[in-house]
Amino acid sequence: GAGVSQSPSNKVTEKGKDVELRCDPISGHTALYWYRQSLGQGLEFLIYFQGNSAPDKSGLPSDRFSAERTGGSVSTLTIQRTQQEDSAVYLCASSPQGLEELFFGPGTRLTVL
Amino acid sequence: GQNIDQPTEMTATEGAIVQINCTYQTSGFNGLFWYQQHAGEAPTFLSYNVLDGLEEKGRFSSFLSRSKGYSYLLLKELQMKDSASYLCAVSFTYSGAGSYQLTFGKGTKLSVIP
Repeated sequence: GAGVSQSPSNKVTEKGKDVELRCDPISGHTALYWYRQSLGQGLEFLIYFQGNSAPDKSGLPSDRFSAERTGGSVSTLTIQRTQQEDSAVYLCASSPQGLEELFFGPGTRLTVL
Repeated sequence: GQNIDQPTEMTATEGAIVQINCTYQTSGFNGLFWYQQHAGEAPTFLSYNVLDGLEEKGRFSSFLSRSKGYSYLLLKELQMKDSASYLCAVSFTYSGAGSYQLTFGKGTKLSVIP
């Protein structure tokens, strides 16, 4: 079956522009996570969804970051007024309920010039 | 808060055995995962420990001691393709119902040399 997909795979933008990153989880998975990985660094937790609700937004770095999930499926991570420090690989992962193995998407590499 | 520590880098010889340690401090502990991440790729699942003891899966084994906040990943009969980063991750539950999170360590970069 299809795995987790993310789009775009690469995004280059100018400082100050807004960007939207999309994640399509595995069908039927209720839990969805967003992580950020800067070059040579570990995975930084951003936000977690259970269904359409986000019980944990503690990892969002600033109010420029927001995320939503509709229909218990697709999720969008939006970064407003991008800054150079936002450059990283943004990884999405899903799991059946939340406590099990995470299945990661290929990531979106964001470069802010 | 949560704190996860693992060595930054390790080097081992092809055919040998290597042990990668992970220590953690967290409340609401559910379990501990190990993931493998090759350069430029997404992490892939290796193991999940909930109870104390050793879980063996082929060349890879993972150990957990909840009382000590300690885990290790053991890789046997190392192959060149095992060169990758190995990420320790702790699953925990917030006091609020259904509020789970999986926090990752910074990863251990393993280099396997001939």
